[in-house]
Amino acid sequence: GAVVSQHPSRVICKSGTSVKIECRSLDFQATTMFWYRQFPKQSLMLMATSNEGSKATYEQGVEKDKFLINHASLTLSTLTVTSAHPEDSSFYICSAPTPLASNEQFFGPGTRLTVL
Amino acid sequence: QKEVEQDPGPLSVPEGAIVSLNCTYSNSAFQYFMWYRQYSRKGPELLMYTYSSGNKEDGRFTAQVDKSSKYISLFIRDSQPSDSATYLCAMSGNNRLAFGKGNQVVVIP
Repeated sequence: GAVVSQHPSRVICKSGTSVKIECRSLDFQATTMFWYRQFPKQSLMLMATSNEGSKATYEQGVEKDKFLINHASLTLSTLTVTSAHPEDSSFYICSAPTPLASNEQFFGPGTRLTVL
Repeated sequence: QKEVEQDPGPLSVPEGAIVSLNCTYSNSAFQYFMWYRQYSRKGPELLMYTYSSGNKEDGRFTAQVDKSSKYISLFIRDSQPSDSATYLCAMSGNNRLAFGKGNQVVVIP
């Protein structure tokens, strides 16, 4: 079945550095991918919609310059957390609509970011 | 009022019991209703998906939607320890996708 992968699964970095997270659709094309952030015991919060070939659409309150999104191809979207700070530590999850039913989402396994 | 309300629990049940989870919502534009299961430190996986009022069964899982009351439920029959996870409701419509906070379920052997 369709699978969405994320890399890395876990990253620890120093404050002030930038971290890139990759999201790939493995056996289907995704013109749209979604990026979420999830704090402990909280729901998924949509950060932005990644669109292949055009700019990402950010949710209110999400800084575009802080969270850079690039949808480089029909199977790859990247999220770069620039100048990361401890408050950016979270679980980042991407998803892509399933090929046959756009209202369903396949989720990636998530990336645990810890900023020291 | 939040778009989607889900009591985060936690909910502990003995093995074999029926687990009952529910969410309420306020946005009438939502037409598609989903339940996801999320194990600790993993991404959510789709359990059930429905777009109409009524019941939908899949093995031990039953999803129920009542659009008139804006209320959805998930029932897990004959619960197993492997069902221990966080269950999130989600709904979409009119280009919006919203999640509940998730309900942590623990099935005790």
